[in-house]
Amino acid sequence: GAGVSQSPSNKVTEKGKDVELRCDPISGHTALYWYRQSLGQGLEFLIYFQGNSAPDKSGLPSDRFSAERTGGSVSTLTIQRTQQEDSAVYLCASSLVSDTEAFFGQGTRLTVV
Amino acid sequence: DQQVKQNSPSLSVQEGRISILNCDYTNSMFDYFLWYKKYPAEGPTFLISISSIKDKNEDGRFTVFLNKSAKHLSLHIVPSQPGDSAVYFCAASAREYGNKLVFGAGTILRVKS
Repeated sequence: GAGVSQSPSNKVTEKGKDVELRCDPISGHTALYWYRQSLGQGLEFLIYFQGNSAPDKSGLPSDRFSAERTGGSVSTLTIQRTQQEDSAVYLCASSLVSDTEAFFGQGTRLTVV
Repeated sequence: DQQVKQNSPSLSVQEGRISILNCDYTNSMFDYFLWYKKYPAEGPTFLISISSIKDKNEDGRFTVFLNKSAKHLSLHIVPSQPGDSAVYFCAASAREYGNKLVFGAGTILRVKS
């Protein structure tokens, strides 16, 4: 597809379970971001991959959160031992390194019950 | 430390009038600024941007103004239309930080018909 694709679009999980969220960026985009938006809040930066550089993980809220990007394309955000405060919409975006305009996916709505 | 601030959580404007959305930043290294629009249940979409070498950029009904000395930018929408009702996010990036986008908390715009 032409845009950023995220899956699943909705995920309900029990507290304590692990979840994996997937992002397929736009082909050729070397920069990839993960953000999350909690109810009534702004966009909270989580992690940033840029080409072959070490990822900027400064936004990850705890060591339960991790992300990887395989082959410079698809990225997976993993949340271990989910907590209720992890409930949010998780947004992925990609951009060309030379162009800082980022394109967002539609997000994954995560609900931890 | 919130480097990009949108101090107005919401704004209500009559259809046909001008909407002015404001954004302040604290980091003088930021050299590129963007506005995104977000509808419910969708990812943010890019609206307009401005480089720090300019003080104004116009695209149809949307104009962004940048005042570097005040570390302030604003988005003007004129005339406002009901379809403009959305959450507007200001974002900034710096080449020094790998062009990572830093977002404000967002402003909810409601255009009344």
